[in-house]
Amino acid sequence: AQSVTQPDIHITVSEGASLELRCNYSYGATPYLFWYVQSPGQGLQLLLKYFSGDTLVQGIKGFEAEFKRSQSSFNLRKPSVHWSDAAEYFCAVGAGSGGGADGLTFGKGTHLIIQP
Amino acid sequence: DTEVTQTPKHLVMGMTNKKSLKCEQHMGHRAMYWYKQKAKKPPELMFVYSYEKLSINESVPSRFSPECPNSSLLNLHLHALQPEDSALYLCASSQGEGTAQYFGPGTRLTVL
Repeated sequence: AQSVTQPDIHITVSEGASLELRCNYSYGATPYLFWYVQSPGQGLQLLLKYFSGDTLVQGIKGFEAEFKRSQSSFNLRKPSVHWSDAAEYFCAVGAGSGGGADGLTFGKGTHLIIQP
Repeated sequence: DTEVTQTPKHLVMGMTNKKSLKCEQHMGHRAMYWYKQKAKKPPELMFVYSYEKLSINESVPSRFSPECPNSSLLNLHLHALQPEDSALYLCASSQGEGTAQYFGPGTRLTVL
């Protein structure tokens, strides 16, 4: 079974500073990897996804992530954060079950706090 | 258009009530999902409907019952719920295996 680890429960970053959120996955084959963002009481918004090919993927809102197979990692980065980036960030893995659809397994999330 | 809609936004129910949550997508997706999210926790998969086939997370109690009237609608029927079932219920849809899932805003359920 697949699993996702987000080692940082909380991260505090100053506005304008760079950001990196860590994600490690466990899965036997090449996984499908996602980053989602969730504001309080809201649904999840897809930031970016990795299926195959180029290991550096670009997403919305200026986010990017890099897939590193050797480290089983899929870290999320942003060069300069804005106060509106404060939210909960979830890394997720989807694994093909051969049944036509697969649910996602989420990490526990990282709560991002932006300091003025 | 990547919109998934859910109704109602909020629902309060007693343990003897029967209610339903509704989800709709107009993206032509063939897979739809229900997730449960407790406060300060990640979403947990409950059910998957894909090409009219239902897959169930075996840990989900039978007081939750999904229904898929057509490929764009997904309901979750609730009966005899417990207070610990209070949570945010999220619906999602996708084109199928290995594709991104798009989430609705959720229904905040409170069981008294």
